[in-house]
Amino acid sequence: AQSVTQLDSQVPVFEEAPVELRCNYSSSVSVYLFWYVQYPNQGLQLLLKYLSGSTLVKGINGFEAEFNKSQTSFHLRKPSVHISDTAEYFCAVRKFGNEKLTFGTGTRLTIIP
Amino acid sequence: GAGVSQTPSNKVTEKGKYVELRCDPISGHTALYWYRQSLGQGPEFLIYFQGTGAADDSGLPNDRFFAVRPEGSVSTLKIQRTERGDSAVYLCASSLGDQPTGELFFGEGSRLTVL
Repeated sequence: AQSVTQLDSQVPVFEEAPVELRCNYSSSVSVYLFWYVQYPNQGLQLLLKYLSGSTLVKGINGFEAEFNKSQTSFHLRKPSVHISDTAEYFCAVRKFGNEKLTFGTGTRLTIIP
Repeated sequence: GAGVSQTPSNKVTEKGKYVELRCDPISGHTALYWYRQSLGQGPEFLIYFQGTGAADDSGLPNDRFFAVRPEGSVSTLKIQRTERGDSAVYLCASSLGDQPTGELFFGEGSRLTVL
């Protein structure tokens, strides 16, 4: 079975500073990788996904993530954060041929003005 | 509506009672999913429908939990003899179902509290 580890439960960052949210996964088979964001009082929303091809994936709101197969990581980055990025971020994996998404425990990103 | 709609948004019940949670997916989405999110945890898969049939119900924790989607649109998650450990936010998501990596669209969830 696959699993996802988000090492940081909370990350405080000053406004306009860069941020990296870490995600590691384990799986015996190939997987698709996703980042979802949950803004306060809203449903989960897809930020970006890695399916195949280029290991650098760009998503909405200026976020990007890099797939590193050797390190089994899919870290999320943004060069300059804004107050509006305050949210909970979830990394998720999905096995090829399987509909089930397995989520990490989430990272709460807090932007400090 | 434009998005996935879940009702009720909040439900408080007593231990042992029966509960139904409803999900209205985006029109035209054939795939529907239920997830459960406990405090401090990520969403946990419960069940997946493709059309009217449950294609994967491996995440249902026990036989007190059951879900239906009789006409391939609205789905109802049913919980019998509720326990305090069932308290969580129950999330519903839908997708077009025509691609293995299609985007899931989530509702805002139904928060269940069992006293």
